[in-house]
Amino acid sequence: DTGVSQDPRHKITKRGQNVTFRCDPISEHNRLYWYRQTLGQGPEFLTYFQNEAQLEKSRLLSDRFSAERPKGSFSTLEIQRTEQGDSAMYLCASSPPTGNTGELFFGEGSRLTVL
Amino acid sequence: AQTVTQSQPEMSVQEAETVTLSCTYDTSESNYYLFWYKQPPSRQMILVIRQEAYKQQNATENRFSVNFQKAAKSFSLKISDSQLGDTAMYFCAFIRTGGTSYGKLTFGQGTILTVHP
Repeated sequence: DTGVSQDPRHKITKRGQNVTFRCDPISEHNRLYWYRQTLGQGPEFLTYFQNEAQLEKSRLLSDRFSAERPKGSFSTLEIQRTEQGDSAMYLCASSPPTGNTGELFFGEGSRLTVL
Repeated sequence: AQTVTQSQPEMSVQEAETVTLSCTYDTSESNYYLFWYKQPPSRQMILVIRQEAYKQQNATENRFSVNFQKAAKSFSLKISDSQLGDTAMYFCAFIRTGGTSYGKLTFGQGTILTVHP
């Protein structure tokens, strides 16, 4: 399968713990995005990378959140000192280098449950 | 800022019938794309259809077509000959073109569509 892959698919953690999610985009895609989707809602944009550069961050991305894409390939999203409000599906998506058509290729998501 | 509103939380349709999902949006931008994305249960979201705002002709993709009313800021999705595999959450989404808007989609709340045999 050469689609966007995310790991882990599910994570249950206790409040106050740190969690990290990984995203492997489609190999020829240089653009990578993180979105957050809460139950019954549409995804909300968190951040965008072009190659290794983080070009945009949403105000939703508080200081406890950090995203990296060190070599312009896979990306990680870390949440420190998790809170119950962080419970959500974290979606990764990628897109190719040409154009701005808005077509994103999504992974299946990483579901976080904070107890 | 843009907003996208889907006023139908849930819809159902019989197999082989036609269903229309509604979407309205608000923006001051003149150049943008609109999309319908499909999210099947426990599977990744995929693009169903895209409409460029500068095009008057409504987009079609096989059984899927849109009714784009730019002045009314309305963008509905029609699914003809519904199939069981169409069961999914459907999201309407907006992106402005140009600048640094790459991949920064604004989604509606979604409509759960169930196709019954």
